[in-house]
Parts: sequence; C-alpha cells; structure tokens
Amino acid sequence: AQSVTQLGSHVSVSEGALVLLRCNYSSSVPPYLFWYVQYPNQGLQLLLKYTSAATLVKGINGFEAEFKKSETSFHLTKPSAHMSDAAEYFCAVSEGHTGNQFYFGTGTSLTVIP
Amino acid sequence: EPEVTQTPSHQVTQMGQEVILRCVPISNHLYFYWYRQILGQKVEFLVSFYNNEISEKSEIFDDQFSVERPDGSNFTLKIRSTKLEDSAMYFCASSPGVAYGYTFGSGTRLTVV
Repeated sequence: AQSVTQLGSHVSVSEGALVLLRCNYSSSVPPYLFWYVQYPNQGLQLLLKYTSAATLVKGINGFEAEFKKSETSFHLTKPSAHMSDAAEYFCAVSEGHTGNQFYFGTGTSLTVIP
Repeated sequence: EPEVTQTPSHQVTQMGQEVILRCVPISNHLYFYWYRQILGQKVEFLVSFYNNEISEKSEIFDDQFSVERPDGSNFTLKIRSTKLEDSAMYFCASSPGVAYGYTFGSGTRLTVV
C-alpha cells in the first residue's frame, strides 16, 4: 500500500528565502509522485510530477522536486519565495497503473513573511 | 486550458436530505474521481470511475454514496441521506491516465445543517 508523509504541517519563510517542503513516501512498486498546490477557496492545481523519467522535475511557478529513491523522498523546493506562494501544498503518490487512486499527504501550509 | 467544472460551488442542505454534486470532466479524459476534504484535514479518496463503472472505492464510500455518468459529459456524486459529518469540500477530478496526473475542479463546498 502507498502512503505519503509530509513533515511539517506549517512552514514559514521570509520573502526571497529558500522554500523546502518535505515529502516521504512508501510504495511497494515504483511510484508516480505529484505535488499539488491549493490556494484559499480554490481547487488543487498540479505543480509538478515524477513518472520515472528524470529524477529532478521542474514545475510551474519556479518550483522543482527531486525524486530520491534511496531516501524515499520527493521534497519540493523553490530558490526564492514570493508572497504569492502562500498556499497549502499536498504531496501525492500513485502506484502508476492507469486509473489508480492517488494517496495524498496531510498537506503543508506555507506562509511567506514580507 | 481545459478545465473540470463543478456545480454548485456551495450547497447547504438539511440533514437527511439527498444531494447531487455535479461535475463536467475534461472531454477526452477516461478516468474520473471524487475526493473530499473536511475542513482542515487532508484530501481523501472516495471513488474512481472508468468505463462506466466504479474501479475503486474507499471505506468512506458506503451505501449512502453513488456515482453516475448519465450522459457523455456529466459525472455526478449522490449522497442519499446526508449527515452532519458529510460537510466537506468535494472535488471532482479527471485524467487521461494516472501518469499525467489529475485535473481537479474547484470543488463544491457542502454544508449539512
């Protein structure tokens, strides 16, 4: 069975500082991994995905994530935080078979301090 | 860019009433999903739907819930007799295949009073 652990339910960074949101997964098969962002009162928007190609994945809004199999991690980073990055971020894992459900982490709320 | 459309955006219903949440997935997608998010909690899987039948469902998706794709475009979630604990944001999603990720709708906030 798959699961996702997001360490830190709340993360605060200063504007311009590095953003690091942590995600560890467990999966019995090679996983597909995703990061979604949720702005207040909005739906979930796909930031980036890993589907067994390059281990460093670049997404929208300057975010990227690196798949590290040895650490079972898929941490999300952004070199310089912007005020507009304040949102809830969810990591998700899937087995990779077509149609399989995603398992979401509990989310990390990112606050950007001016 | 194609979108998943959900209606209504907010629904208030009395306990025990039936509600139908509607979704229009992206037209060339084959896989459809419902998730819910209780306020302040994580996003939880309810059900997946492919080829006109349920392919997976969670423990949450009990006999009170049903899904339908009544025509070529709509995908609905019905809750037969709502409970207070059904109050949540319900998200519809569709996908051409899981490797592509899901496209989520903006959600329906269901409030049961």
